[in-house]
Amino acid sequence: EVQLLESGGGLVQPGGSLRLSCAASEFTFSSCAMNWVRQAPGKGLEWVSVISSGGGTTYYADSVKGRFTISRDNSKNMLYLQMNSLRADDTAVYYCAKGLVGINTPFDYWGQGTLVTVSS
Amino acid sequence: DIVMTQSPDSLAVSLGERATINCKSSQSVLSTSNNKNYLAWYQQKPGQPPKLLIYWASTRESGVPDRFSGGGSGTDFTLTISSLQAEDVAVYYCQQYYTSPSIQFGPGTKVEIK
Repeated sequence: EVQLLESGGGLVQPGGSLRLSCAASEFTFSSCAMNWVRQAPGKGLEWVSVISSGGGTTYYADSVKGRFTISRDNSKNMLYLQMNSLRADDTAVYYCAKGLVGINTPFDYWGQGTLVTVSS
Repeated sequence: DIVMTQSPDSLAVSLGERATINCKSSQSVLSTSNNKNYLAWYQQKPGQPPKLLIYWASTRESGVPDRFSGGGSGTDFTLTISSLQAEDVAVYYCQQYYTSPSIQFGPGTKVEIK
């Protein structure tokens, strides 16, 4: 069964940095576009970023562009999100999610999420 | 960006009764090149990640019970639960992926038991 396991969340001060990781297993990771989606406490879902299967193409939501960087290591089946210049409104559960086929498809598997809290 | 709206915000339905959720996009998500609606539905239970139910507006994901069905085209869509079960209590989100990679979710509809 497909598994996605996020890690790296925690409490960080405004302006700080954090790197999230997502370990993937039981599917051909190198063939799938991967996404980060976040959910602020008690709120709805917000797409954050996507990376193509080979890693050569990335896109970001306007809210994180220039501050967050998505990357992947297909040799390790790992997805990453480097988050810099964090703000209070970045506080959320961050999910990694697998694209059904490619970049412009819905998300068929999600991890359990990792909580990022930005607060002084 | 496309703006997604859902109605109602919440609804309470008796066990075994039908539940219908509406989703509207601010512009069409129907592709004229392949005649597909780039619209998906997700179910999120408390404390869990979202689960894909429906994509291409009406294609049920593998393993999803057939009491869940999706319909609509263009800008107006529905998710119907034909006979509500206790395990269907959740928040349901629609999502457009027509303008992918810029993807938008609806605000969610909470379904409860009456």
